[in-house]
Amino acid sequence: GAVVSQHPSRVICKSGTSVKIECRSLDFQATTMFWYRQFPKQSLMLMATSNEGSKATYEQGVEKDKFLINHASLTLSTLTVTSAHPEDSSFYICSARGALYEQYFGPGTRLTVT
Amino acid sequence: QKEVEQDPGPLSVPEGAIVSLNCTYSNSAFQYFMWYRQYSRKGPELLMYTYSSGNKEDGRFTAQVDKSSKYISLFIRDSQPSDSATYLCAMSGSGNTPLVFGKGTRLSVIA
Repeated sequence: GAVVSQHPSRVICKSGTSVKIECRSLDFQATTMFWYRQFPKQSLMLMATSNEGSKATYEQGVEKDKFLINHASLTLSTLTVTSAHPEDSSFYICSARGALYEQYFGPGTRLTVT
Repeated sequence: QKEVEQDPGPLSVPEGAIVSLNCTYSNSAFQYFMWYRQYSRKGPELLMYTYSSGNKEDGRFTAQVDKSSKYISLFIRDSQPSDSATYLCAMSGSGNTPLVFGKGTRLSVIA
């Protein structure tokens, strides 16, 4: 099956710093990738849809200046959490859309802001 | 009414049992249906993908879609302790719309 990787798998940063998370489709090209956030024992919350070569589409309530998304190639999308605060601590998961519109998810990145 | 309804469980079954998981939905435009398995602190893993109505089988897993009833199911045969996870249904109306997820059903298979 298709493989999506994320890096790093976990990161701890200090309040006020920025953190970049990478999402890569390893064996297929993805024109569309998605970024989700998940709190413990809750379902996935879509943050934004990322299309290669264009600006991301953010869901209502998600600050685009705080969560910067770049989808510069068909295999890479990045999420940068700027000026991180403790409330940004969460599990961030990306997914990539396959040729049949199915989605393959990465393993997730656990962000802890101290 | 939520777009996708899924019983959160928890569901506990003995090893070897047949497990039935299901979701109902309200949007008749949905035509892409997926089931994911998610272990704790991991990303969801795509188990089954179905376009429109019908059945699909893959090993111990069978997915069914009944669009007339707006009801989808996932059956797991000969369940194993390693099947213990949260199972998420997901669906979308077109290739360009994001997936809508159920809240997930927590399954425990007891050895």
